[in-house]
Amino acid sequence: AQSVTQPDIHITVSEGASLELRCNYSYGATPYLFWYVQSPGQGLQLLLKYFSGDTLVQGIKGFEAEFKRSQSSFNLRKPSVHWSDAAEYFCAVGGTSGGSYIPTFGRGTSLIVHP
Amino acid sequence: DAGVIQSPRHEVTEMGQEVTLRCKPISGHNSLFWYRQTMMRGLELLIYFNNNVPIDDSGMPEDRFSAKMPNASFSTLKIQPSEPRDSAVYFCASSLGGDQPQHFGDGTRLSIL
Repeated sequence: AQSVTQPDIHITVSEGASLELRCNYSYGATPYLFWYVQSPGQGLQLLLKYFSGDTLVQGIKGFEAEFKRSQSSFNLRKPSVHWSDAAEYFCAVGGTSGGSYIPTFGRGTSLIVHP
Repeated sequence: DAGVIQSPRHEVTEMGQEVTLRCKPISGHNSLFWYRQTMMRGLELLIYFNNNVPIDDSGMPEDRFSAKMPNASFSTLKIQPSEPRDSAVYFCASSLGGDQPQHFGDGTRLSIL
């Protein structure tokens, strides 16, 4: 069965600092990987996705993520964080199970941005 | 394009009452998902429809929960009777199916007193 681990429950950074959120997955084949962001009172919004090809994926809002098969990781990065980036971030791995495609989400990492 | 639309946004009711949550997926999407989000358990998949047919309902907590999708543009999640432990934010998401990403609604915050 597929699974996702986000080891950091909370991350605190200063505005303007760089950011890296960790994501480790478990899946038997080549996975589909996603990062979503959830602002308070809203649903999850897709930041970026990896299906195949270039292992460095660019997303919206200046985010990027790198797929590392050898480490089973898909970490999210941003070179300079803005106060508006404070939110909950979810990593997800997708794949087929019993003929159905159902993604699995991590528990999320809460990003706190200090001025 | 309108996104996934959920109603109501907030629901407060007393235990024992029937609760019905509604979802309108994005037009053209053939997969629909219902999730429940709590601090304790995170984001849980309750049920998944493909082409209006329930494919996987293994996440539905118990018989008090039921979900329907009578047509491609509407789905409901019903709790009867409701209990305080059902208090959570319920999300509906839709996708084009397969490996395509999900699009989430803004959720229904449910409080059972």
